[in-house]
Formats: sequence, C-alpha cells, structure tokens
Amino acid sequence: QKEVEQNSGPLSVPEGAIASLNCTYSDRVSQSFFWYRQYSGKSPELIMSIYSNGDKEDGRFTAQLNKASQYVSLLIRDSQPSDSATYLCAVNRDDKIIFGKGTRLHILP
Amino acid sequence: GAGVSQSPSNKVTEKGKDVELRCDPISGHTALYWYRQSLGQGLEFLIYFQGNSAPDKSGLPSDRFSAERTGGSVSTLTIQRTQQEDSAVYLCASSLWGTETQYFGPGTRLLVL
Repeated sequence: QKEVEQNSGPLSVPEGAIASLNCTYSDRVSQSFFWYRQYSGKSPELIMSIYSNGDKEDGRFTAQLNKASQYVSLLIRDSQPSDSATYLCAVNRDDKIIFGKGTRLHILP
Repeated sequence: GAGVSQSPSNKVTEKGKDVELRCDPISGHTALYWYRQSLGQGLEFLIYFQGNSAPDKSGLPSDRFSAERTGGSVSTLTIQRTQQEDSAVYLCASSLWGTETQYFGPGTRLLVL
C-alpha cells in the first residue's frame, strides 16, 4: 500500500460546482496533513493544513480529516477556472512529510 | 523575508558531465527537502535534511546523486556523470522543522543532452 494515495484524475467539474478531492494515508500515527496546489510549470504552494479531526474552512476551501478512516479531503466550493491545477495531499510520517502523486482538477467553463 | 531560492533556474548539460544545484532555504528553517519532478509526474522524494544531517537519503536514485548541507542553511545537490533520464525539474523546499508546512523554491530545470 502506498503511503499517501490520491486518484490521479483528471477530475472535471463544471464552473460554480463543488470539487471534491480525496486522499488516504497508511500511517495511523500521522498528525499533520496538508493540501498543496500546483499549477502547470510552477512549484507547489500550500492551500491548507489540518491537524484535528473534523472540518477546517478557509474561504472557498474546506479540508476534512477523519483519522479513524485515515482519510483527508479537500472541498472547493464555487469552483473557478483558476482552480484548474494539480492538488497534492501531504502527510507526515515520523519527522518528515510524504506527498501523494496528486489529482489533476479541470474546471469546465 | 525572502522565500526559498534555487540556482541555476535552468541548466543544460551534456551527458556524462557533473552538475551542482543549489538551494537557499528560508532563514531559520531547520528542515530541507529535495524533490525531482519529471514532466507531468508527481514529486519524487530525493533526500531530507534536518540541520546538517540527512536522516533519510532513501530517495536518491543512484550513487551518482549526492547532497550536502552546510551551516544548517545552503544545500547543494550534485549529480555526477549525468544521464538523459536525469532531465527533470529539481525542487527544493524548507520548513521550520520536519513535519511543518513546506515552502518550495522555483526549481531548477535540468536538461541533459
């Protein structure tokens, strides 16, 4: 089992709809969880971090964490064409961060 | 303050030559990571530094790859006897410590002819 798994996509979502991105991880003791966005040809940039079970909202973005199910998700409300990018899930293992392969999101105008 | 910087931004080299890639992390960040990203692919972990020591070198693809970090700051990734399959973007990231938010540099785009 891969340490951090994401569906590679592409995930196509109509503009204005909710985009839902999912990630599962294998290490039960992981405590730190991150979502990064990477535009084509650019470096990854942090969108959100989450450390506790439940939801964390920041503008149009909501991160959801369920440690019992080893599952973290990112919801993007009112999707915009500018949200089209690859979204990387990252989780700590021991003292370092492990990245998933990313999900390509395409917002349809 | 300044973000993570990397140099050079682009590097074209001939097969068999050695290259050095440099990373300047954010001041005060103790953790430093090197990744490789081929076109359209995910991040491939190479090596992680905590201070000047590298507790995890498991991602280095071969013994042609090495990295060092001095003074708990600047890091250099060296690729000896480059091969065409080494062509990729090499990204560096730093964080306050290992499990915190990583801040990425702009990357070095390496092309081996």
